[in-house]
Amino acid sequence: DTGVSQDPRHKITKRGQNVTFRCDPISEHNRLYWYRQTLGQGPEFLTYFQNEAQLEKSRLLSDRFSAERPKGSFSTLEIQRTEQGDSAMYLCASSFGPRSTDTQYFGPGTRLTVL
Amino acid sequence: DQQVKQNSPSLSVQEGRISILNCDYTNSMFDYFLWYKKYPAEGPTFLISISSIKDKNEDGRFTVFLNKSAKHLSLHIVPSQPGDSAVYFCAASGSGNTGKLIFGQGTTLQVKP
Repeated sequence: DTGVSQDPRHKITKRGQNVTFRCDPISEHNRLYWYRQTLGQGPEFLTYFQNEAQLEKSRLLSDRFSAERPKGSFSTLEIQRTEQGDSAMYLCASSFGPRSTDTQYFGPGTRLTVL
Repeated sequence: DQQVKQNSPSLSVQEGRISILNCDYTNSMFDYFLWYKKYPAEGPTFLISISSIKDKNEDGRFTVFLNKSAKHLSLHIVPSQPGDSAVYFCAASGSGNTGKLIFGQGTTLQVKP
């Protein structure tokens, strides 16, 4: 099975530390999305890549957050100076095709706990 | 502002009966709607979708109905099976080419044997 993979699955860190998450999309998928999900809520859009270009960022993505997708393959999401409010599940999704309605396939997520 | 709302946090039905999950939206620019299913420790899995030019889409036991005038959609599962027990998210997209999804809060469905 070559679905979307995310690493690590769980991360516990202390407030003020930097963390980085990785997402490997399904091979050949040109679109990649990051979402954040907090307890009792649905996923919230963070940012979107078309190949290597970051084309949209949510206002939820403060300047402590940065995402990259070098060479249009895997993506990383870094959070600097973590805060307790950053504790959430971070989900990555990818899709293939020219249409915005092409199905997004989600990874299992990275659960971040900030102490 | 919650643009997509699922007002029922949970739903319990008997195996074999119909499950009806509801979703309301506020943004009239949404033109594509989806349902995702999520099991614990897994990411959301696509279930079924519907374009705003349709009012019904069916896939096996799953049917999605769209009422644009009421800005309401629903997911019907018939017959319900214990394996359908999961969290169901309604999502919407539109007004742009990014494909970003706006999700509801989710409804936890429990199907009892």
